[in-house]
Amino acid sequence: DGGITQSPKYLFRKEGQNVTLSCEQNLNHDAMYWYRQDPGQGLRLIYYSQIVNDFQKGDIAEGYSVSREKKESFPLTVTSAQKNPTAFYLCASSPYWGTNTEAFFGQGTRLTVV
Amino acid sequence: KNEVEQSPQNLTAQEGEFITINCSYSVGISALHWLQQHPGGGIVSLFMLSSGKKKHGRLIATINIQEKHSSLHITASHPRDSAVYICAASGRSNNNNDMRFGAGTRLTVKP
Repeated sequence: DGGITQSPKYLFRKEGQNVTLSCEQNLNHDAMYWYRQDPGQGLRLIYYSQIVNDFQKGDIAEGYSVSREKKESFPLTVTSAQKNPTAFYLCASSPYWGTNTEAFFGQGTRLTVV
Repeated sequence: KNEVEQSPQNLTAQEGEFITINCSYSVGISALHWLQQHPGGGIVSLFMLSSGKKKHGRLIATINIQEKHSSLHITASHPRDSAVYICAASGRSNNNNDMRFGAGTRLTVKP
C-alpha cells in the first residue's frame, strides 16, 4: 500500500540533544512538507521541499534542519537550538509543487523533551 | 487574526444529529481542504474544493468563494465520526502551495 510513514510514533529527548524524525513516502510525490502542531493552534510549516535535492524554510524553521537526498525521504532534525521542541510533528507530501494539489499526511511523531 | 478561522472549537452531538462545522478565511486561495485528524494523530484528507459542493457518503463540503467561507456537514452522525476536523486554505499565489490551517474543531458524537 502506498503512503507516508513517520517514525517513531513517540520520541523522548533530553535537553541539549539533537534528534531526527523520519518521514518516508512511496507515493512517488515530488513535494514534501514538515508541520508542527501545538495544542489549540493550526499546523505550522517548518520546512518544505518542492523536489529532490531542494528544500526551503517555512514559517518556523529556526532550530530545525532537513535534507532531501532521495525523493522518498525527508528527515527532520530538531536541534538543541530549538527553544520549545515538545510538540506533535506531521510530515506530508503532494504529487507536485503547485496549486490545487491534495496533501497526504503521515501518522505523526510526538516529541517530548525531558 | 488567524488567516483561517474555524467554528466551533468544540462540538458535542448525539448520534444521528446533523452537524455543521464552519471555516472562514481571509487570504486568496485556489483550494480549500477539509481534513480529519483521528485521536492517534494521523490526518486524512476528506475534501479539496475550489467551488461549489462536494459529497462523499455522509459528508458534504461547500464553499462560497465570494464570502470566503466553507462548511463541512455530517449527516446522520455516528460515534466513529468523533475526531478533530481541520480546514486549510492553499495556493495563495500561482507558485505557492503553502497551506494555512485552522486550529481545528473537536467533534464528539455520543451514542
